[in-house]
Amino acid sequence: DIQMTQSPSSLCASVGDRVTITCRASQSISSCLNWYQQKPGKAPNLLIYAASSLQSGVPSRFSGSGSGTDFTLTISSLQPEDFATYYCQQSYSSPQTFGQGTKVEI
Amino acid sequence: EVQLVQSGAEVKKPGESLKISCKGSGYSFTSYWIGWVRQMPGKGLEWMGIIYPGDSDTRYSPSFQGQVTISADKSISTAYLQWSSLKASDTAMYYCARHRDGYNSGLGYWGQGTLVTVSS
Repeated sequence: DIQMTQSPSSLCASVGDRVTITCRASQSISSCLNWYQQKPGKAPNLLIYAASSLQSGVPSRFSGSGSGTDFTLTISSLQPEDFATYYCQQSYSSPQTFGQGTKVEI
Repeated sequence: EVQLVQSGAEVKKPGESLKISCKGSGYSFTSYWIGWVRQMPGKGLEWMGIIYPGDSDTRYSPSFQGQVTISADKSISTAYLQWSSLKASDTAMYYCARHRDGYNSGLGYWGQGTLVTVSS
C-alpha cells in the first residue's frame, strides 16, 4: 500500500493567514493526488484533484502543487469558513489511501 | 444534478448482518467508479474499496478484504456495502462517493453518510 503522510496534524491560524499543508507519498504517485475539506458532521468535499486542478465551485484561494511524492495545499488568505480538517488522498493505485488529516483551528 | 442518497442509520447487535445502500441519480450510473469510505468516531477517513457498476469490477483495501462485500445493482442505480457478521469495531459513519471522472480522479460527489452503530 502507498502510505500518505500529512503535516502538520493540526495548526492554529487566524483569519487572513496564508496556510500551507503538506502531504508526502511513500512512493511516486505522479499527479494523482486529491485534497478534501471536511467540516464536523458533514461529508468531505473535494477541493483539488490531480494535484493542482481546482474543483468546480471551490474558491480560488485554495491551490495545490507538487508531483511525484511531495504535495502542498495552500490557502492564500484563511476565511472563517475554512476552519476544518483537510485530507490528502492518492488515486494512483488501489488502495487509494488517505492521509491522516490536518485540523485547521483558530 | 449528481446525487448520491444513502440509506438511513442502523443500530445492530454484534454478529448480525447488514447491507447499506447508496442510490445514484443525475448521471450514467454504469460509467463511474463508486467508492466506500469509513470514518470511525473522531477519526480520519479510510478508503474501503470501489466498484465500477458497468462491469462490477471491484477493488478492496487489504484492511477490509474479506470483512465487507461491495456490490452494485445497475438496474436500480444502487451500490451496496454489506457485512455478514458485524463487530463493535464496525461502529462508524460510512460514506459512498463517486469518482469525479475516471479511476484516477478524486471523489467528487459524496453521499450524506450512513451511521452504523453496533452494540450489544
